[in-house]
Amino acid sequence: GQQLNQSPQSMFIQEGEDVSMNCTSSSIFNTWLWYKQDPGEGPVLLIALYKAGELTSNGRLTAQFGITRKDSFLNISASIPSDVGIYFCAGLNYGGSQGNLIFGKGTKLSVKP
Amino acid sequence: DAGVTQSPTHLIKTRGQQVTLRCSPISGHKSVSWYQQVLGQGPQFIFQYYEKEERGRGNFPDRFSARQFPNYSSELNVNALLLGDSALYLCASSLRLAGSNPTGELFFGEGSRLTVL
Repeated sequence: GQQLNQSPQSMFIQEGEDVSMNCTSSSIFNTWLWYKQDPGEGPVLLIALYKAGELTSNGRLTAQFGITRKDSFLNISASIPSDVGIYFCAGLNYGGSQGNLIFGKGTKLSVKP
Repeated sequence: DAGVTQSPTHLIKTRGQQVTLRCSPISGHKSVSWYQQVLGQGPQFIFQYYEKEERGRGNFPDRFSARQFPNYSSELNVNALLLGDSALYLCASSLRLAGSNPTGELFFGEGSRLTVL
């Protein structure tokens, strides 16, 4: 089945540093999504990407949909303590009988003040 | 506005028991999806219901079942619980059928934490 490989698995950074994480797949997705999950909470959507090559920003977050539709990256600039959490990429395809999100295993971000 | 609400938030069961988890979607949303998130992993798709019909099923055994009611709320049932069923069960709602073009955003609830002893 479809799987997403997300890296790195965890990151420890200093406040103010920039962060980069990525996600790759062996198969194509119509849509790539990036979620953040805080402890005890459900995932919250950060950025959605719909077109190959699309680059989208949301405040200090920037994400890009790879040209091949098999990868995506998420960058966070000037990290702050509230950026701590687990970041998940997810792929979604249109049509078919599923309509389900395929999630990566997550990147755990820790920020040292 | 109320987001996706799930109940109970935490529960403990023993092997062989049955559990029912409940989800109320955002008002106006007709699609409800269920995901299982084992500790240290990303969520895995279990079911999607849209307009009270099952529209997708993940790779889970028949011990897992769900339904959607006329008010679009949903229940997930798991029978004959196993230790491996211990997980956070997430419900997500969306305005449209997830997988339609465009799908729109899926909003997740805070989940029900199930521990099986």
